[in-house]
Amino acid sequence: GAVVSQHPSRVICKSGTSVKIECRSLDFQATTMFWYRQFPKKSLMLMATSNEGSKATYEQGVEKDKFLINHASLTLSTLTVTSAHPEDSSFYICSARDPEEYVSNQPQHFGDGTRLSIL
Amino acid sequence: RKEVEQDPGPFNVPEGATVAFNCTYSNSASQSFFWYRQDCRKEPKLLMSVYSSGNEDGRFTAQLNRASQYISLLIRDSKLSDSATYLCVVKRAAGGKLIFGQGTELSVKP
Repeated sequence: GAVVSQHPSRVICKSGTSVKIECRSLDFQATTMFWYRQFPKKSLMLMATSNEGSKATYEQGVEKDKFLINHASLTLSTLTVTSAHPEDSSFYICSARDPEEYVSNQPQHFGDGTRLSIL
Repeated sequence: RKEVEQDPGPFNVPEGATVAFNCTYSNSASQSFFWYRQDCRKEPKLLMSVYSSGNEDGRFTAQLNRASQYISLLIRDSKLSDSATYLCVVKRAAGGKLIFGQGTELSVKP
């Protein structure tokens, strides 16, 4: 079945560092990918919708300059957390829209997530 | 008010119990409905889609009432391995965003 790979799975770094997270669709072309953030005991909150070849669409309250999204190919979207601070520590999850969702009945395929800890 | 609301629990039940989760959504334009399961520190996994006619998958039964904008999930004969957080999810339109509820935590005890 469709697989989405997210890398890295765990990042620990110092405050002020920029961190890049990659999301790859391994066996299908993903024109649309999504980036979520989840704090402990909270639900997934959509940060932005990443569209191949165009600018990402950010949700209200999400800083575009803080969370840079690039979707330069049909199989790769990246999220860069710039100048990360402790409050950016969270679980970041990407997903890719299934181009055949009406066949698979799966609207999106999720990556394994990245646990980001900023010291 | 959140677009998708669930009882956060936790629900603590013994093995073999039947447990029901409820969910309401506020956007009447919501098009598709799902239950996802999320284990601690893992990504969410699709448990089942929810249809107006109701649908069953083994010990799991999902129901949708569009008129009252209400979704439910029933788990029969619960197993230890059912312990997880169950997320109610709605999608507005084809290719559209998934809106997640805050999740209901289930803990099944021996």
